[in-house]
Order: sequence, then C-alpha cells, then structure tokens
Amino acid sequence: SQQGEEDPQALSIQEGENATMNCSYKTSINNLQWYRQNSGRGLVHLILIRSNEREKHSGRLRVTLDTSKKSSSLLITASRAADTASYFCAMNSGNTPLVFGKGTRLSVIA
Amino acid sequence: DAGVIQSPRHEVTEMGQEVTLRCKPISGHNSLFWYRQTMMRGLELLIYFNNNVPIDDSGMPEDRFSAKMPNASFSTLKIQPSEPRDSAVYFCASRSRTGGEWYTEAFFGQGTRLTVV
Repeated sequence: SQQGEEDPQALSIQEGENATMNCSYKTSINNLQWYRQNSGRGLVHLILIRSNEREKHSGRLRVTLDTSKKSSSLLITASRAADTASYFCAMNSGNTPLVFGKGTRLSVIA
Repeated sequence: DAGVIQSPRHEVTEMGQEVTLRCKPISGHNSLFWYRQTMMRGLELLIYFNNNVPIDDSGMPEDRFSAKMPNASFSTLKIQPSEPRDSAVYFCASRSRTGGEWYTEAFFGQGTRLTVV
C-alpha cells in the first residue's frame, strides 16, 4: 500500500476564502479518498474519486484527480471557521489498506 | 448503527503494565484496521484484518504489540509491557467490501488516548 503526501503541511486563511490542498502519490490507484480530522477526533470520510473520474463535487468541496500526474486536489470554497481541521488523502489500490500521509492542517480565521 | 466503538477513550498506565484497547467495528464490515497517531509520525497503520484474519502486521512496532480479532464484532490491541514511547492516540477503523473490491470508505472510531508514565 502506498502513502500519499499532502501539501502544504499547514494553511491559514480568512473565513470566506477558498482553501486548496494537494495530494501526490506514486503508483496506480483504483480510487483516492479525502478525510477530515477535527482535533481529538477520528477521521471522517469526505469524498471518494475513482481513477476514471477527473472531478467530483460535494457541497462546498471540489476534488480533482489527475492520474497522469498522480495528483489530486481538494478545494473548499467559501471556508468557514468550522472547516478548521486536518485533511488527509488516502489511496486504494486493489485489496490494500488505506494509508494516510501527515495531512494538511487548515486554520480558518473568523 | 452506532459506528465504530472504541474503549476506553482514555487510558493512563504505568510503564511495564499491560494495556488492552478494544474495538467494535460496524456490523457487516469485513475489514478492520488499527492505526496509531502521534505528532512526530502522523497516522501509522499497525495491522489490518480481512474477515477476522490478520493480513498484514508489518506496521506493528515490536513484539510487545499484539492484536486479535476473535469474531467479526470485536478486536483487541494489546501492549505488554507498555513503555512511555507507546503514548499516542490509537484508532480503529472498519470498512466493507462492495462488488468484490475494497473500494469503500473507512469509518473511524473516536480513538483511545494512551498515556504511559
């Protein structure tokens, strides 16, 4: 199983701005998933994008996947203070477990 | 469903003591994972089970760590003897198999915060 690498490590923005986080990986995948972790809590699944998809939306979330560059991005539009959390990507490659990177710590300042 | 349930939520123990962490996965899920999270090392996969069978325990740091899954609704992670460097938050997660492939999302418990003094 492979580990993704999120970028940047930390991001601080004002409420109402958009936040963009990136994830890079090394080998082929079946799908890529994004998770959020609030301080002191477990990870919560946000969105899954399959290898044959290029873009997916869920509410204020927009995820893109570029399999040729082996990268994905997560965009949170019109951010809110409640979006403050750490965000992780994880890849699925067949019957393998989800392995997470160190994540991006997002701070949204009201 | 109540989600993935872990117990205890917090555990403080003295070095050398045995620690047992417990996990009840979501009913019907076929796969269970144990992770450890620290500031320095991030979220590390320790071991995972498919259909109650341990598949890969290469992430288990040492022989002091062991995990079991006696049935589909219960798993334990044991540390014996515990050491201060084992202090971390331990997460259990489960997921199901859809259409013959492990494509689905994982559901996490709230974690057990372990402090070894």
